[in-house]
Amino acid sequence: ETGVTQTPRHLVMGMTNKKSLKCEQHLGHNAMYWYKQSAKKPLELMFVYNFKEQTENNSVPSRFSPECPNSSHLFLHLHTLQPEDSALYLCASSQVVGQNNEKLFFGSGTQLSVL
Amino acid sequence: GIQVEQSPPDLILQEGANSTLRCNFSDSVNNLQWFHQNPWGQLINLFYIPSGTKQNGRLSATTVATERYSLLYISSSQTTDSGVYFCAVANSGGSNYKLTFGKGTLLTVNP
Repeated sequence: ETGVTQTPRHLVMGMTNKKSLKCEQHLGHNAMYWYKQSAKKPLELMFVYNFKEQTENNSVPSRFSPECPNSSHLFLHLHTLQPEDSALYLCASSQVVGQNNEKLFFGSGTQLSVL
Repeated sequence: GIQVEQSPPDLILQEGANSTLRCNFSDSVNNLQWFHQNPWGQLINLFYIPSGTKQNGRLSATTVATERYSLLYISSSQTTDSGVYFCAVANSGGSNYKLTFGKGTLLTVNP
């Protein structure tokens, strides 16, 4: 139990499907993140939410749509994805106080395959 | 943006051996973290260490911010230490939320 729970663990979808990834953190943190991990590439930050407000959008295509209804839950809505979007999608959370952003805690990830 | 280089890219050890992993970064940082990703993909935060030295059991880390590097020491390695070790940094004066990750060091510990 890492304190950050992601579902589903695995997802296979066609390019015309619509699906959503879910993340929940039980750590009382105020910031949540979506990261993408592709083979042979460093982790890439996609989105950041602080107190439910989106503070970072790292030039992510519009076929990825985040939603943060409260500080404990984060979703990533997927539609009309491409095969190159196949990757491990990781959710994370941290506690930000002023300028201090400390330890990042990750969920187990969703392994996404787009056919 | 800030560059993060980790070395070595791959490391193979016998159980019981010690090792040092290095992380070099190209600019001043106000946040540096070390992570271990196990073979099942789970990323575990090992250290938050923008400067100084910390120890946690068989692991310790040192960051010399003025010289722009950090070291992760693993002593008496065990097979469960296998996986990828990532260093991640945030640039001083940049976004507090944006950690840039290195490509990682793949560690294999053989019994």
